[in-house]
Amino acid sequence: DSGVTQTPKHLITATGQRVTLRCSPRSGDLSVYWYQQSLDQGLQFLIQYYNGEERAKGNILERFSAQQFPDLHSELNLSSLELGDSALYFCASSVAGRGDYGYTFGSGTRLTVV
Amino acid sequence: AQSVTQLGSHVSVSEGALVLLRCNYSSSVPPYLFWYVQYPNQGLQLLLKYTTGATLVKGINGFEAEFKKSETSFHLTKPSAHMSDAAEYFCAVQSKGGSEKLVFGKGTKLTVNP
Repeated sequence: DSGVTQTPKHLITATGQRVTLRCSPRSGDLSVYWYQQSLDQGLQFLIQYYNGEERAKGNILERFSAQQFPDLHSELNLSSLELGDSALYFCASSVAGRGDYGYTFGSGTRLTVV
Repeated sequence: AQSVTQLGSHVSVSEGALVLLRCNYSSSVPPYLFWYVQYPNQGLQLLLKYTTGATLVKGINGFEAEFKKSETSFHLTKPSAHMSDAAEYFCAVQSKGGSEKLVFGKGTKLTVNP
């Protein structure tokens, strides 16, 4: 158990639908990062939050949004889902301000869009 | 922009043989460097990292990596492969003093043959 909790582990949904992925960071970590892992694109950075504020944005589609709540858990919202959104979505956390610490990853949410 | 190249998407070795996984980065300033391992159906786990100081770093499970600035490389090695090393390995970089996002390579899948 890495200390980063992601729910649900698996999600199957239809095209056009909306889903929410949840992440609880490791205790004491203020930063949360979301990554998408697919066979063709590899691991792609989506977005980072630090203590409730958006800190960095990567290749995140406009149909996707995220937020970090006061208790530091984060949610990634994916809407108007397309078949190509099927992927593994990882959340990671770190002690922000010390970039050399590396990340602690959750076990991911596997999203299948049918 | 930073980028990471992992040479060889698949590497196959015999049990007991040397493991060598290659990683080269592209960055104007030497970044922080990481190796992560992903076992099937699991999240990524930090193997080792280079931030500063000694260029040969030791990680978990007998792995080590050497930062070579002149070659912009950070290859991962293990003297003797074990069946349990079979997994996918990712090299990643993070810029110093900039965004904390990790930029990952495409990954190398290691197979260990008995």
